[in-house]
Amino acid sequence: DGGITQSPKYLFRKEGQNVTLSCEQNLNHDAMYWYRQDPGQGLRLIYYSQIVNDFQKGDIAEGYSVSREKKESFPLTVTSAQKNPTAFYLCASSRQGLTDTQYFGPGTRLTVL
Amino acid sequence: AQKITQTQPGMFVQEKEAVTLDCTYDTSDQSYGLFWYKQPSSGEMIFLIYQGSYDEQNATEGRYSLNFQKARKSANLVISASQLGDSAMYFCAMREPWGTGANNLFFGTGTRLTVIP
Repeated sequence: DGGITQSPKYLFRKEGQNVTLSCEQNLNHDAMYWYRQDPGQGLRLIYYSQIVNDFQKGDIAEGYSVSREKKESFPLTVTSAQKNPTAFYLCASSRQGLTDTQYFGPGTRLTVL
Repeated sequence: AQKITQTQPGMFVQEKEAVTLDCTYDTSDQSYGLFWYKQPSSGEMIFLIYQGSYDEQNATEGRYSLNFQKARKSANLVISASQLGDSAMYFCAMREPWGTGANNLFFGTGTRLTVIP
């Protein structure tokens, strides 16, 4: 089946620790995205990548880092510099065109203890 | 500046009835795309329907249709024949052209739809 997978589904982290969220897609999409969702809010863009080995900051990139070494993979690291990391994180992918839809993974819920 | 506005935090609809979820947007571009997503309690965002700014006809996808009024900058989602499985959060989103630095979706705050048996 083609789609986007995110792991783990639930993640707990102690303050001061870095943690990496996985995102893999087998849709052959060039573009990938990371969004953050807080309770009662819409999604906000953290980082996006249009092509391998290239990525750009979104609206709330501070405290996060990404890599895009493979077309299929776009991992997100939540660093200790992120002041309020507890949130729901969604990964998405799309082709490159304006009309192309972003398809989302099932999400990872991160809780900082 | 808020680009997408959804003014209905919650809506109720009787099963088998139609419901309209409101969405207004703000952009100075002529070329843009409008999307609706459904988010059930599991959390995954499910794509429902897309409307391009140059599309003259309203988009339809099964029981979903998009009431696109360009001059009023509104893109309301209409769900016909509501089903219990339609109970979820619904998000309106807008995408602007590549090259503006906004190569992403701007989301509204969502509307929680509850379908009553």
